[in-house]
Amino acid sequence: LAKTTQPISMDSYEGQEVNITCSHNNIATNDYITWYQQFPSQGPRFIIQGYKTKVTNEVASLFIPADRKSSTLSLPRVSLSDTAVYYCLGQREGTYKYIFGTGTRLKVLA
Amino acid sequence: DAGVIQSPRHEVTEMGQEVTLRCKPISGHNSLFWYRQTMMRGLELLIYFNNNVPIDDSGMPEDRFSAKMPNASFSTLKIQPSEPRDSAVYFCASSLTGALVHEQFFGPGTRLTVL
Repeated sequence: LAKTTQPISMDSYEGQEVNITCSHNNIATNDYITWYQQFPSQGPRFIIQGYKTKVTNEVASLFIPADRKSSTLSLPRVSLSDTAVYYCLGQREGTYKYIFGTGTRLKVLA
Repeated sequence: DAGVIQSPRHEVTEMGQEVTLRCKPISGHNSLFWYRQTMMRGLELLIYFNNNVPIDDSGMPEDRFSAKMPNASFSTLKIQPSEPRDSAVYFCASSLTGALVHEQFFGPGTRLTVL
């Protein structure tokens, strides 16, 4: 599975757009990139998944460039409630095993 | 649907005692995962089942840990005997394999403290 590297922490202010970048230099052809969000005292929650280019849902956008060696999770206009840990994961197509890294601890300030 | 259900939510026990954690996956899901989360090691996959069969248990730390899935709606993770280093939050997750997007749904977790 692709080994992922992401910043340990980030601070942002309410109303700003937040971009969290994840590096996955050894991503395989059949690996997908998946992002999860975890609030304190809760289990992780799926945000978005993509293979290449751009994927958007009601919560976030995921940008994956052509070489797929990195990806960026974009959270539009964050609020205090977006304070959480965000995990970037590689997932091999046809398998269902995740390897969670340390994640990025996002703190949204008023 | 109520989501993934785990019990108990909190467990405090003494070293050497047997601990059993329980999980009810989302109805219709055919994969089930057990994870452990600690500050030091983060979130680790212990074992996962597909159609009630253990597929990968390489994350189970040692023989003191065992997991079963007797049917599609119930799984247990047992630690016997428990040790203080087993203190962690244990999450169960379920998913539907074959879906266009693979999403794991996590339960609220069981916080285990071994004294």
